[in-house]
Amino acid sequence: EVQLVASGGDLVQPGGSLRLSCAVSGFTFSDYWMNWVRQAPGKGLEWVANIRQDGSETYYVDSMKGRFTISRDNAKTSLFLQMDSLRAEDTAVYYCARDKRDSWGDYYGMDVWGQGTTVTVSS
Amino acid sequence: IQLTQSPSSLSASVGDRVTITCRASQGISSYLAWYQQNPGKAPKLLIYAASTLQGGVPSRFSGSGSGTDFTLTISSLQPEDFATYYCQQLSSYPLTFGGGTKVEIK
Repeated sequence: EVQLVASGGDLVQPGGSLRLSCAVSGFTFSDYWMNWVRQAPGKGLEWVANIRQDGSETYYVDSMKGRFTISRDNAKTSLFLQMDSLRAEDTAVYYCARDKRDSWGDYYGMDVWGQGTTVTVSS
Repeated sequence: IQLTQSPSSLSASVGDRVTITCRASQGISSYLAWYQQNPGKAPKLLIYAASTLQGGVPSRFSGSGSGTDFTLTISSLQPEDFATYYCQQLSSYPLTFGGGTKVEIK
């Protein structure tokens, strides 16, 4: 069964750090780009970052560049999001998601999602 | 690239035909996906490449459009379709989502 299990969410003070993890099973992790997407309470979806299969390319939304770092460990089939200098507006459910692309690299969307992990930034 | 969805919410009855639109601030060819999200759940991919149905998605869902204007249609609304729907552009970074359309029971 294809499965993404996100973890690491917690209550953290403004300015603090947190590392999210996403454990993957049921498919060849090293074959796929992976993403983090977040959703603030009562709000819409916001793409955060993604990472190439071998970790050699990463992309971020501007507001998180320099504060968030996406990484992966293909040997442990895990995806990570290191979040530093956290702000109240980073409070959200964070989802990990698998890319759907064709063999030419055309980008189709995100076809497998984890259940989400909740990050709350508050003093 | 900004995506504007309309309406932001709608009320409909079981069996109704429902249409949701998504307009991009610049041309994105067919690099558009549609998702369904139920409360407290992760999004689910419905349609990709603007009009291709993801495997396992009922055929009452369809997508159309290219360039800047896109449409998601549910031909006959079913009870399990009451949810929030999002479009997403995959043409260029940063990837962006529309603001969402909440489909509620009339």
